[in-house]
Amino acid sequence: EVQLVESGGGLVQPGGSLRLSCAASGFSFSTYDMHWVRQSTGKGLEWVSAIGAAGQTYYPDSVKGRFTISRENAKNSFFLQMDSLRVGDTAVYYCAREFDTGVGWYFDLWGRGTLVTVSP
Amino acid sequence: EIVLTQSPDTLSLSPGERATLSCRASQSVSSHLAWYQQKPGQAPRLLMYDTSSRATGIPARFSGSGSGTDFTLTISSLEPEDFAVYYCQRHRAFGQGTRLEIK
Repeated sequence: EVQLVESGGGLVQPGGSLRLSCAASGFSFSTYDMHWVRQSTGKGLEWVSAIGAAGQTYYPDSVKGRFTISRENAKNSFFLQMDSLRVGDTAVYYCAREFDTGVGWYFDLWGRGTLVTVSP
Repeated sequence: EIVLTQSPDTLSLSPGERATLSCRASQSVSSHLAWYQQKPGQAPRLLMYDTSSRATGIPARFSGSGSGTDFTLTISSLEPEDFAVYYCQRHRAFGQGTRLEIK
């Protein structure tokens, strides 16, 4: 079955760290660019980071320097190391697969999400 | 940085009616736009990509149009399962969402 499964969410204090994992199955993981997207409770979607098939990484300013994305193709997995966490980082974190049409790129496969709560 | 603005925030319609959702980009995105549907407790699902191409398994009642800065998602005749939140997306930017609720 083609799927993505996140793990590693939980409760952490401000300033703390957490490492999220996303396990892929059913497709050729190593050939895809992969992303993390988050959603605060009752709010919209926010792109968090991306890692290319060749390992290049991208971040928005809101998490740059605090979050690190990585991948391990041999284990069909990628990760999000989150340091210096803030209350505003509280959200459901989704991993997603990039779908590149040659015209644009989108997210065609999503995990179910893992909840990260940053609270004193 | 491209900003996507969706309208309306909430749309109240009845099953069988036609729904028209809008997404406006702060600058031209050509045809590089997607739409997603999200139901409570679920991940978003890709509906449309490259403005007007339906993703795998998406019913023909869903259609997309537009180019440049103005885009539309149309649901020709609403089914009960279509009531959800809809987001537009272009690369790293998402719109704020339109909630489609039952009238």
